Amino acid sequence: ETGVTQSPTHLIKTRGQQVTLRCSSQSGHNTVSWYQQALGQGPQFIFQYYREEENGRGNFPPRFSGLQFPNYSSELNVNALELDDSALYLCASSIDGNEQFFGPGTRLTVL
Amino acid sequence: GIQVEQSPPDLILQEGANSTLRCNFSDSVNNLQWFHQNPWGQLINLFYIPSGTKQNGRLSATTVATERYSLLYISSSQTTDSGVYFCAVGGGAGGTSYGKLTFGQGTILTVHP
Repeated sequence: ETGVTQSPTHLIKTRGQQVTLRCSSQSGHNTVSWYQQALGQGPQFIFQYYREEENGRGNFPPRFSGLQFPNYSSELNVNALELDDSALYLCASSIDGNEQFFGPGTRLTVL
Repeated sequence: GIQVEQSPPDLILQEGANSTLRCNFSDSVNNLQWFHQNPWGQLINLFYIPSGTKQNGRLSATTVATERYSLLYISSSQTTDSGVYFCAVGGGAGGTSYGKLTFGQGTILTVHP
């Protein structure tokens, strides 16, 4: 059974650019959630996708958007990057939003 | 939204000691998970425990949902137990429900040899 995978591992962007992060969910899981973890903090919920539709959103602006594909993999897109967007981005998959399993994360640095 | 408080924020132990980490939450939940975050940032699932007691080797956890707290016990600690322990709670369960996890601030555990 393959776990949750994320790509890329690390990414460096400059302010104002756009970035796309990718997540492959664990086999059999239909729900993907995205989290942002700033240094020294707990992860913060960005949004969740269930059956290809956004199904809940945290306190993040619209420049954070996402997609879920028919195979349940997902993308997180961030437009107009700001310095404060520098963080570890974590994706988690689950069955119907229950026990969540996390990927290794993508570390984004915005210069 | 749900508030999650973890205590203590920092814990320093000698190898072989036992410890208890606490998680208080402010509302009813359908999901409670304990995680260990390794130095590379990966969140490792320890327990999925919305209620009751579970044990896995040297680790065990108890959630008393009616009193809105959960405890994680680590016995005979080892240096490899070092890292950040997070409690996360959520209200989602089944169907199109909302699977948002709200995390506490974590407990930083350091185990010295």
